[in-house]
Amino acid sequence: SQTIHQWPATLVQPVGSPLSLECTVEGTSNPNLYWYRQAAGRGLQLLFYSVGIGQISSEVPQNLSASRPQDRQFILSSKKLLLSDSGFYLCAWSVTGRTNYGYTFGSGTRLTVV
Amino acid sequence: SQQGEEDPQALSIQEGENATMNCSYKTSINNLQWYRQNSGRGLVHLILIRSNEREKHSGRLRVTLDTSKKSSSLLITASRAADTASYFCATTGGGSNYKLTFGKGTLLTVNP
Repeated sequence: SQTIHQWPATLVQPVGSPLSLECTVEGTSNPNLYWYRQAAGRGLQLLFYSVGIGQISSEVPQNLSASRPQDRQFILSSKKLLLSDSGFYLCAWSVTGRTNYGYTFGSGTRLTVV
Repeated sequence: SQQGEEDPQALSIQEGENATMNCSYKTSINNLQWYRQNSGRGLVHLILIRSNEREKHSGRLRVTLDTSKKSSSLLITASRAADTASYFCATTGGGSNYKLTFGKGTLLTVNP
């Protein structure tokens, strides 16, 4: 069965520090991968998505970046965090080429920038 | 940008009652999906309805879709305290058949 792992669960980082959040998927090949951010009490905002290794599309200009070094690994990074980067970050995957399937989400990372 | 808008933003009911949440969207869709999120957790996919479908059932869930009104509803029958969560609608379409766009959600509280 397919599983998705996301870590860490919580993170407190000072302003200006770097960030690296990792997401891995097991049990499937060539998934579509996504990073979402959820502000408190709000819906989800798509940040990045990837349809293959090295293929990253950005939805929102910001100081975050994403990389997909391996087929089932998706990394969210920042060189210097801002206070506004605080939020709940969720990784998700979906089946490539299948438009009528739901997403599977990871358990999320609660990031607090202080 | 948000595609779906859920209504109401918050709903409080008693156990055993039915809960109805509505979602409106703006552009053409390929499908509409409903997700559930327990506090501080990831989202769980509940049900998907395609643009050519009008109604779908899954256990105690019933989803309707009216593409002429660009709206959907999620009905949870015989609610339980464990149904307490936020519920989000999300859509794919508008030229991208795999990117999900979410609404802001409805917070459902089921009181025992």
